[in-house]
Amino acid sequence: KQEVTQIPAALSVPEGENLVLNCSFTDSAIYNLQWFRQDPGKGLTSLLLIQSSQREQTSGRLNASLDKSSGRSTLYIAASQPGDSATYLCAVRPGANNLFFGTGTRLTVIP
Amino acid sequence: GAGVSQSPSNKVTEKGKDVELRCDPISGHTALYWYRQSLGQGLEFLIYFQGNSAPDKSGLPSDRFSAERTGGSVSTLTIQRTQQEDSAVYLCASSLGIHADTQYFGPGTRLTVL
Repeated sequence: KQEVTQIPAALSVPEGENLVLNCSFTDSAIYNLQWFRQDPGKGLTSLLLIQSSQREQTSGRLNASLDKSSGRSTLYIAASQPGDSATYLCAVRPGANNLFFGTGTRLTVIP
Repeated sequence: GAGVSQSPSNKVTEKGKDVELRCDPISGHTALYWYRQSLGQGLEFLIYFQGNSAPDKSGLPSDRFSAERTGGSVSTLTIQRTQQEDSAVYLCASSLGIHADTQYFGPGTRLTVL
């Protein structure tokens, strides 16, 4: 069964710092990997989706990489801002039917 | 355009009662998913609908849970004889339906079973 792990569980950084969130998964047979953010009491917002054939995706200050063979992905956030504070979830899609989610990294950016 | 909407946003019910949760997917999205997020746990897949195909119910935790999707659009998740462990946020997502597609999530329904 696919297992998705995110480290660290929580992270606190000062504003302006660059940071990396880690995601690992046990089964490399995936269609894609997706990074989401979840704000307290709200649903998930998709940030980046990386197809299994891709190595990375970028959107603004966010860059996500994928190393499928080693079962790892990272989300890099440049020049962090207080508005980036949220829980970040990675999810892998092994088939058509669902996503397997990690338990998330709770990020706090201190002004 | 309009995103995925869910109703109600909050539901408090007594143990043993039945509840219905509603999801309106993005127009044109053929795939619809239900997930559950329990306190302190990750998101857990419940059920998946794709077009007119039979749904994938492999994630439903018990036979008290059921879901239907009428007309290929709106979906209802029903929990019968609710238990306290059913308390969670229930999230609905939709996508265009192909493997590669992004899933777009609704705001969720927070269910509390007293």
